[in-house]
Amino acid sequence: GAGVSQTPSNKVTEKGKYVELRCDPISGHTALYWYRQSLGQGPEFLIYFQGTGAADDSGLPNDRFFAVRPEGSVSTLKIQRTERGDSAMYLCASSLGTGEETQYFGPGTRLLVL
Amino acid sequence: GQSLEQPSEVTAVEGAIVQINCTYQTSGFYGLSWYQQHDGGAPTFLSYNALDGLEETGRFSSFLSRSDSYGYLLLQELQMKDSASYFCAVTGDTGRRALTFGSGTRLQVQP
Repeated sequence: GAGVSQTPSNKVTEKGKYVELRCDPISGHTALYWYRQSLGQGPEFLIYFQGTGAADDSGLPNDRFFAVRPEGSVSTLKIQRTERGDSAMYLCASSLGTGEETQYFGPGTRLLVL
Repeated sequence: GQSLEQPSEVTAVEGAIVQINCTYQTSGFYGLSWYQQHDGGAPTFLSYNALDGLEETGRFSSFLSRSDSYGYLLLQELQMKDSASYFCAVTGDTGRRALTFGSGTRLQVQP
């Protein structure tokens, strides 16, 4: 079946602008995760949803970052007043949500803030 | 906090065996995962250990020693397509499903 999809694949924006990144998880997966990966580093956790609710948002770096998952499927990561330091690959993953199971990653959105 | 240490680079030849080590320091521990990532690609799950011992999946095996806070990924019969970055990642405790990743080991397989 279809894997995790993310759109757009690339996003270029200017400092101070608002951006939205979308994630469509694997069908039937109730758990959804956002990570951020800088070049040469491992992914860093941002936020985790179980269903519609954010079960753990401890990784969000500041209040410019926000994520929603209103119907328990698609999720949107929103970044306000973007800064150059926000430039990174943003990865979404999903899992069944029933226990300590495998997370399946999408191809990511590469964000560049000029 | 949590931290993971793994070598930054490893080089090996086709057909050889390579071991990538990972040591971790965590405030809680539930399991150790391994992911493969090709340049420009998404991390792909390889293996998971929650209990001590060896897990084998085809050419890849993973080992965990909880008492030593140590694990490794073993890749056998290396192929050129195995050239990629390999990440170990810890799940801190049962209530927190977020993965904490190491910085990755870049494996280069030479002919």
